[in-house]
Amino acid sequence: AQSVTQPDIHITVSEGASLELRCNYSYGATPYLFWYVQSPGQGLQLLLKYFSGDTLVQGIKGFEAEFKRSQSSFNLRKPSVHWSDAAEYFCAVGADNTDKLIFGTGTRLQVFP
Amino acid sequence: EPEVTQTPSHQVTQMGQEVILRCVPISNHLYFYWYRQILGQKVEFLVSFYNNEISEKSEIFDDQFSVERPDGSNFTLKIRSTKLEDSAMYFCASSPGQGFRGYTFGSGTRLTVV
Repeated sequence: AQSVTQPDIHITVSEGASLELRCNYSYGATPYLFWYVQSPGQGLQLLLKYFSGDTLVQGIKGFEAEFKRSQSSFNLRKPSVHWSDAAEYFCAVGADNTDKLIFGTGTRLQVFP
Repeated sequence: EPEVTQTPSHQVTQMGQEVILRCVPISNHLYFYWYRQILGQKVEFLVSFYNNEISEKSEIFDDQFSVERPDGSNFTLKIRSTKLEDSAMYFCASSPGQGFRGYTFGSGTRLTVV
């Protein structure tokens, strides 16, 4: 069965610092991979997704993620974090034989000025 | 850009009452989903719906839950007799076809059972 692991529950960075949020998935074939962001009390906003092709994916708000099959990872990065990036970030995986997304437990990002 | 619309944004109900959460998927989408997020926890799949029937459901989706597409535009989730543990954010999603291209979430309904 597919699964997603986000090892970091909570990350704190200073504004302007670089950011990397980790995501590891478990799935035999090439998965569909997503990153969503959720501000407090709000819905899920899609940051970026990977289906196939170029393994470095660009998303909204200056985020990017890299699919590494050898490491079963899809880490999210941003070169310079803004205070408005403080939120909960969810990695999710989908598979060919199902229409459901499996979400990780999320990483809460806190940004200090 | 087309949106998935959910109403209400927040609903408070008494334990044991029936509640209906409403969603208007994107108009040309054919696949519909409900997910749930208990406060502080991860988002969990509840059910998928296609061609007027459930195509997949999780073990969370027990007999007290039902889904319906009553009029060709709305997609509803009914909880027959709410429990305190049903308090959560419920997200609707829709997709134009199988797979995940165009998979779009609504902004959610926060259900509070008191």
